Amino acid sequence: GAGVSQSPSNKVTEKGKDVELRCDPISGHTALYWYRQSLGQGLEFLIYFQGNSAPDKSGLPSDRFSAERTGGSVSTLTIQRTQQEDSAVYLCASSPRMDETQYFGPGTRLLVL
Amino acid sequence: AQKITQTQPGMFVQEKEAVTLDCTYDTSDPSYGLFWYKQPSSGEMIFLIYQGSYDQQNATEGRYSLNFQKARKSANLVISASQLGDSAMYFCAMREINYGGSQGNLIFGKGTKLSVKP
Repeated sequence: GAGVSQSPSNKVTEKGKDVELRCDPISGHTALYWYRQSLGQGLEFLIYFQGNSAPDKSGLPSDRFSAERTGGSVSTLTIQRTQQEDSAVYLCASSPRMDETQYFGPGTRLLVL
Repeated sequence: AQKITQTQPGMFVQEKEAVTLDCTYDTSDPSYGLFWYKQPSSGEMIFLIYQGSYDQQNATEGRYSLNFQKARKSANLVISASQLGDSAMYFCAMREINYGGSQGNLIFGKGTKLSVKP
């Protein structure tokens, strides 16, 4: 079946602009996670959604980051007023439930100039 | 303190030989899961193998096996009969179930870059 998909695959933006990154989880997966992978910080957890419940935002690095998940499926990660340190690969993962294996999408490579 | 430690930034292995990638972890949660993921140059994280903290036997998946030593808090990945396509970054990760209100997010090590030589 179809895996996790993410769009765009690459995004180049100017400092100060807002960006939206999209994640389509595997159909039927209730848990959805966003991670960030950067050279300096490695892989970091950002935010977690379980179905339609309020998300766990404990990993978001600043209030410029927000995410939503519509209808318990597609998720959008928004970064406002982007900074150069936001340049990274943003990975989305989903799992059938919170305590099961997470499957990752191909990521969105974000470059902030 | 790091929760997941991968001490080998890079490893080389000859094709068809076995290789062990090291991973140690730190947790006070009695219930946790350990994962290995492969990340080729294309960037996608590919799930390889899982070991639960209460599993009595070491996990195996094809050419991959996990050498789980709970008392030592180590979860090394063993790849048998290496292939050229195994060249990639390998990440060890842990999921804590009960500690600190965790929602099951993964904590990753820094990774090991494996290069398979023909």
